[in-house]
Amino acid sequence: QQQVKQSPQSLIVQKGGIPIINCAYENTAFDYFPWYQQFPGKGPALLIAIRPDVSEKKEGRFTISFNKSAKQFSLHIMDSQPGDSATYFCAPNAGNMLTFGGGTRLMVKP
Amino acid sequence: NAGVTQTPKFQVLKTGQSMTLQCAQDMNHNSMYWYRQDPGMGLRLIYYSASEGTTDKGEVPNGYNVSRLNKREFSLRLESAAPSQTSVYFCASSEVTDSNQPQHFGDGTRLSIL
Repeated sequence: QQQVKQSPQSLIVQKGGIPIINCAYENTAFDYFPWYQQFPGKGPALLIAIRPDVSEKKEGRFTISFNKSAKQFSLHIMDSQPGDSATYFCAPNAGNMLTFGGGTRLMVKP
Repeated sequence: NAGVTQTPKFQVLKTGQSMTLQCAQDMNHNSMYWYRQDPGMGLRLIYYSASEGTTDKGEVPNGYNVSRLNKREFSLRLESAAPSQTSVYFCASSEVTDSNQPQHFGDGTRLSIL
């Protein structure tokens, strides 16, 4: 039972590019939609999150787009930098029970 | 500013051995969680503790036990380790179990079972 499907599994972009990572979910009980960022050897850290009553949220170079009817949300990274190279996880949740996607390994080339 | 501290960082066990993974947080959080991370599968919740004195099963609790020792500490025990439990284990904490509360993760324990 795969409630959360994340794509792509890996992504390589040039510095300055705009990588887009997608997340599709099935559980309509989810009420909060975060993205976590994980560097090698470290635990995940909250990057940005959105509530279901909002269609878009921006924080610095990071943007979440949310489509409630399609049960999808995506992460866009503007002007990507080599320091953004990491694994990204969507983790929609209800009652703070996170359901993680499989992760996207992003590499930003200088 | 330690946040969430996990010990040990690495461990190798033989099949059938037992072990306890330790986790402590210094943020005065009420809720704590244990996850395992396997390649390509993201993190899966093993057990959680919504508040001191309570524990509940997550998605993959079989083969594990937990103890919420006090508000700061939440331990995970493998009674009889199996190769399928080879994984990276993460502990996390949050203020409460509300959806909009971020979870703060430790740096993990890398466990290999031979």
